[in-house]
Amino acid sequence: DVKVTQSSRYLVKRTGEKVFLECVQDMDHENMFWYRQDPGLGLRLIYFSYDVKMKEKGDIPEGYSVSREKKERFSLILESASTNQTSMYLCASSPVPGNYGYTFGSGTRLTVV
Amino acid sequence: GENVEQHPSTLSVQEGDSAVIKCTYSDSASNYFPWYKQELGKRPQLIIDIRSNVGEKKDQRIAVTLNKTAKHFSLHITETQPEDSAVYFCAASPGAGSYQLTFGKGTKLSVIP
Repeated sequence: DVKVTQSSRYLVKRTGEKVFLECVQDMDHENMFWYRQDPGLGLRLIYFSYDVKMKEKGDIPEGYSVSREKKERFSLILESASTNQTSMYLCASSPVPGNYGYTFGSGTRLTVV
Repeated sequence: GENVEQHPSTLSVQEGDSAVIKCTYSDSASNYFPWYKQELGKRPQLIIDIRSNVGEKKDQRIAVTLNKTAKHFSLHITETQPEDSAVYFCAASPGAGSYQLTFGKGTKLSVIP
C-alpha cells in the first residue's frame, strides 16, 4: 500500500560526502516536494518540482540540489554534507489540478558525522 | 512568503475531553488548509482539510473551522482517545497555481487515560 517510497530509512554519512536521497511515487503525481523536519522547527521546504526537469527553491535550499529526470522520481542531493544537515528528510507528492493534501514518504533520518 | 503560526506547542488533555489547536496565516491569498497527524516514528498523514470557500468541516470526532477575515483556522478534536496522541501540523497553501504547503511548527497532543 506504500505509495511514496524513500530509499533509505536511516543513513549515516561523513562530513564532506556527496549524499543522494531518493524518492519514488507510484501515483502519477505531478508535484513532488522535499522537506526537512527538525524538533521545534516543524517541516521546512527545501525544493519542489511541478514537472519533469522542473525545480524550484523552497525556503531553505542552501547546501542542497535536486533532480527530477522522471515523473515518478525526485532526488535530493547534498553536495558536501555538513553536520547541520543532520535531520529527518521527508519527501511528499500531490496531484494537480487544484490543491490536494500531500502523501508523505516514511522519511530518511540522516546523520552527518 | 507565507508564514503559519501554530499554538500551543504542547497540549495535554484527559481522555474524553476536547482538544483545540489554533493556527494563523499571513497570506490572504491562501486558499487551502490541511491538517496532518504524525504518530511517533511514522509519516505525517492528512486527517482533514478545508478550502477558503468553506467555514467549517467535520469528520466524525474532528472538525476544522476557518475564519478568512481574521486569517486563522482551528482543529477541534472531541471525545479524545489515547490513540489521538500525536504531533499535529497545520499548513496553508498560497493557491493561484502554487501547490507547496507552509507548515506550522506542530502541536504535541498527549491524551491521558
